[in-house]
Amino acid sequence: AQKVTQAQTEISVVEKEDVTLDCVYETRDTTYYLFWYKQPPSGELVFLIRRNSFDEQNEISGRYSWNFQKSTSSFNFTITASQVVDSAVYFCALGGYNTDKLIFGTGTRLQVFP
Amino acid sequence: NAGVMQNPRHLVRRRGQEARLRCSPMKGHSHVYWYRQLPEEGLKFMVYLQKENIIDESGMPKERFSAEFPKEGPSILRIQQVVRGDSAAYFCASSPLGGFQETQYFGPGTRLLVL
Repeated sequence: AQKVTQAQTEISVVEKEDVTLDCVYETRDTTYYLFWYKQPPSGELVFLIRRNSFDEQNEISGRYSWNFQKSTSSFNFTITASQVVDSAVYFCALGGYNTDKLIFGTGTRLQVFP
Repeated sequence: NAGVMQNPRHLVRRRGQEARLRCSPMKGHSHVYWYRQLPEEGLKFMVYLQKENIIDESGMPKERFSAEFPKEGPSILRIQQVVRGDSAAYFCASSPLGGFQETQYFGPGTRLLVL
C-alpha cells in the first residue's frame, strides 16, 4: 500500500524563522516520484518540486530546500527566513510506478506571523 | 500560456440537483485527473481520463458521479442528485503525458456547496 504521512498538522512561526515540514512515505515500488504542492489561502494548488526515487541529491531553490532520504523514507521541506507570504497549507504527494494517481498527505498548515 | 482552467470557481446546489464541473487542461496536455478535497483533508484521487477514454476511475463513487473528456471541449465531472456530503473542493489536474513520472498541474478548483 502507498501512503504519505505529514504528522505536523499546523506550524506557527515568526517571520525570518526557519521552518521544516516533514513528509514520510510508504511504498513498495522501487521507482517512484515525490512532490510538494503549496495551497495558499486563495485555494489553488501550486507545484513546487518533483523528485524521483533515484535522485537523493538535496535541492535548493531560493529560500526553499528539500531533503530526500530513502533510508528513512522521508522528503522534508525547509523554508529559510520565512515570510508572511509563505503562509499556506503544504502538501506532500507520492506518485508510484504503474499508477497515474498521486497519493497526498493530509497537509501541514504553516502560519507565518509578522 | 494559460494554466489549467476550471469553472465555475464556486457552485451552490440544493440537495437533489445536478452539479457540472468543467476543466480545460493546459495547452498541449491530453491527460486529465480529478481529485476531491474534503474540508481539512488532503486531496483524494477520483478519476483519470484521456481524450474520449476513462483510464482509471478507481476513486469515483459508484453512484451519481461520472466524468468525461470528449474529443472537443473541456472535461466534465458530473454529480447527480447531490447530497450534503458532496460539499468539497474539486480539483482538476493535467499533464502532457500520462504516467507516474509526469508532473500534474492543478487548476484553481471548484468549491461545491450543497445546501
